[in-house]
Amino acid sequence: EDQVTQSPEALRLQEGESSSLNCSYTVSGLRGLFWYRQDPGKGPEFLFTLYSAGEEKEKERLKATLTKKESFLHITAPKPEDSATYLCAVRGALSGGSYIPTFGRGTSLIVHP
Amino acid sequence: NAGVTQTPKFRILKIGQSMTLQCTQDMNHNYMYWYRQDPGMGLKLIYYSVGAGITDKGEVPNGYNVSRSTTEDFPLRLELAAPSQTSVYFCASRVPPGGQETQYFGPGTRLLVL
Repeated sequence: EDQVTQSPEALRLQEGESSSLNCSYTVSGLRGLFWYRQDPGKGPEFLFTLYSAGEEKEKERLKATLTKKESFLHITAPKPEDSATYLCAVRGALSGGSYIPTFGRGTSLIVHP
Repeated sequence: NAGVTQTPKFRILKIGQSMTLQCTQDMNHNYMYWYRQDPGMGLKLIYYSVGAGITDKGEVPNGYNVSRSTTEDFPLRLELAAPSQTSVYFCASRVPPGGQETQYFGPGTRLLVL
C-alpha cells in the first residue's frame, strides 16, 4: 500500500523567510510524485510532477526536489500570496490502469507580511 | 475551456435524504474521480471511472453510487444521507495515459448533513 506523510502539518513564515516542506513516501515502483496547491474553499491546483530521484522542477518561488524516499518543496522568499495548503501525492506501479494517486494530509502554510 | 465544474457549491441535507452531486468536464478526459476531503485529512477516493460506462470503487465507496453515461459527466449519488457524509467533495479528471500526469480538480461541493 502506498503511503504519504507530509511535515510539518502547519508552518508559519514571515515574508521573505525561506523554508521547505517535506513529503516522505513509501511506494512500490514510483510512477510519479505530485505537488498541488489548495487555497481555502477551492480545489487543488497542480504544481509539479516528478518521476525519478534527482529530478527538480521550479515555478516562480517554488522548487520541488525528489529522492528515493522523500520530496521537498522549497519556498524561496515567500510572499503572503503563497499562503495555502500544499498537498503531496504519489502514484505507484500497483495503481495499474486506474492511475490513482495516494494523497498526504497536506501542509498548511501561512506567510505573514 | 471551463475545466471541471461542480454543482451545487453548498448543500444542507437532512439525515435520510438523497441527492446527486454533479460533475462535468469539457477537456475530453476519459479518467474521472470523486474524492472527499475531511478537515485535516487527505483526499479519499470514493469512485473513479476510466471511460463512459466503466466505473469502479475507491477507498471509501459505502453510501455512494456513480454512473458514467457520457465522457463529460460523472455524477455522484448519495442515498440515505448520514452525518458521516458531511464533507467537501471534489471531482477530478486527468488526461489519457501517456500525457501529462496531472489531475484537474473542480471547485468542490460542501455538504452538511444534519
